[in-house]
Amino acid sequence: QQQVKQSPQSLIVQKGGISIINCAYENTAFDYFPWYQQFPGKGPALLIAIRPDVSEKKEGRFTISFNKSAKQFSLHIMDSQPGDSATYFCAARGLSKAAGNKLTFGGGTRVLVKP
Amino acid sequence: DAGITQSPRHKVTETGTPVTLRCHQTENHRYMYWYRQDPGHGLRLIHYSYGVKDTDKGEVSDGYSVSRSKTEDFLLTLESATSSQTSVYFCAISNAGGAGYTFGSGTRLTVV
Repeated sequence: QQQVKQSPQSLIVQKGGISIINCAYENTAFDYFPWYQQFPGKGPALLIAIRPDVSEKKEGRFTISFNKSAKQFSLHIMDSQPGDSATYFCAARGLSKAAGNKLTFGGGTRVLVKP
Repeated sequence: DAGITQSPRHKVTETGTPVTLRCHQTENHRYMYWYRQDPGHGLRLIHYSYGVKDTDKGEVSDGYSVSRSKTEDFLLTLESATSSQTSVYFCAISNAGGAGYTFGSGTRLTVV
């Protein structure tokens, strides 16, 4: 039933490298695609988000790329730092009001940045 | 997590007992959600609320019930706890614009 598939499940990158996380969705009735970052023992926190009418959004070292026709979107973390070590979740929001603004989440990616 | 508080933070309970988790917000947001987080499954929606006394089921609602008698509080009840309900439970809130969720710090529940 999972409508948002996320890969990889885990990722190890050297400090200064690029982390790339991919998500694919199966339902076209989504209108908003956020990414969340979660540190151990904490709740997820909104990192960056994109709407489907935009192909790319950049905030600092974090960039979302969105491919509407392929129903795919990805998170790139440039110049990865040890402080970026966390679990990242992609999500998609249902389009209709009946969807109750619900977010459907991917399975998560644990990122470890080695110094 | 400003504006949203979950209680308790940790709980150990026995199989078959009822358990209630509380989510309290001070943001006056319309929408409130309960998710569970399990390894490999990400965050899965249990129940959500779109207003006082207005609730609906999510994808993993079996064995759970919710209540929202006032805007600021959203309660999740495990009617008869089972070991499969051992998990970390997160509450989230969202305003009418739905620009994103704010999550609580979570409740780690262990059913023994």
